[in-house]
Amino acid sequence: ETGVTQTPRHLVMGMTNKKSLKCEQHLGHNAMYWYKQSAKKPLELMFVYSLEERVENNSVPSRFSPECPNSSHLFLHLHTLQPEDSALYLCASSLTGGGNTEAFFGQGTRLTVV
Amino acid sequence: DAKTTQPPSMDCAEGRAANLPCNHSTISGNEYVYWYRQIHSQGPQYIIHGLKNNETNEMASLIITEDRKSSTLILPHATLRDTAVYYCIVRVAWRDDKIIFGKGTRLHILP
Repeated sequence: ETGVTQTPRHLVMGMTNKKSLKCEQHLGHNAMYWYKQSAKKPLELMFVYSLEERVENNSVPSRFSPECPNSSHLFLHLHTLQPEDSALYLCASSLTGGGNTEAFFGQGTRLTVV
Repeated sequence: DAKTTQPPSMDCAEGRAANLPCNHSTISGNEYVYWYRQIHSQGPQYIIHGLKNNETNEMASLIITEDRKSSTLILPHATLRDTAVYYCIVRVAWRDDKIIFGKGTRLHILP
């Protein structure tokens, strides 16, 4: 248990559906991250929020829309996804403003697009 | 892009020390070296990090060379549960909120 909770753990959605992934932490962290991990590939950084401001958008298609309403919560809104978007989506959090702070990861949401 | 180079895979016998190398020849003065591991289909787990001194915690030891261009993660008594992909990451000290993962080293602990 890392203190970073992701829901749901598994999600199957059709290409025309709209769904949202949720991430929550109560570690007092003020930076939150979304990563995508496709099969047999390294983790790809998607979005970074620091102090509730998006500071990184790593060329992610607009069908992925992040939202950070406060420092404890992060959402990833999904719409009109493609089968190749099937992957493990991981959320992480850390303290911003320095490299001397470790990040903690949730257990991920396993997404399947059909 | 990841700023580190790691061997793609390694084997280690159970009960022996596992020594995982990492090259980070372009590291700059205020960049920290971090190690994470990912057990199959789980979220990455933080192991240890350091700047220039060697570090030790309950999980592992981190040895950083004097020129800081490489480091070694040491798991002193490897168990089967240590089988995972191990990632070495370099992270800028000030306001770098990006954590970039490379391909890591797949460590197999052999019974």
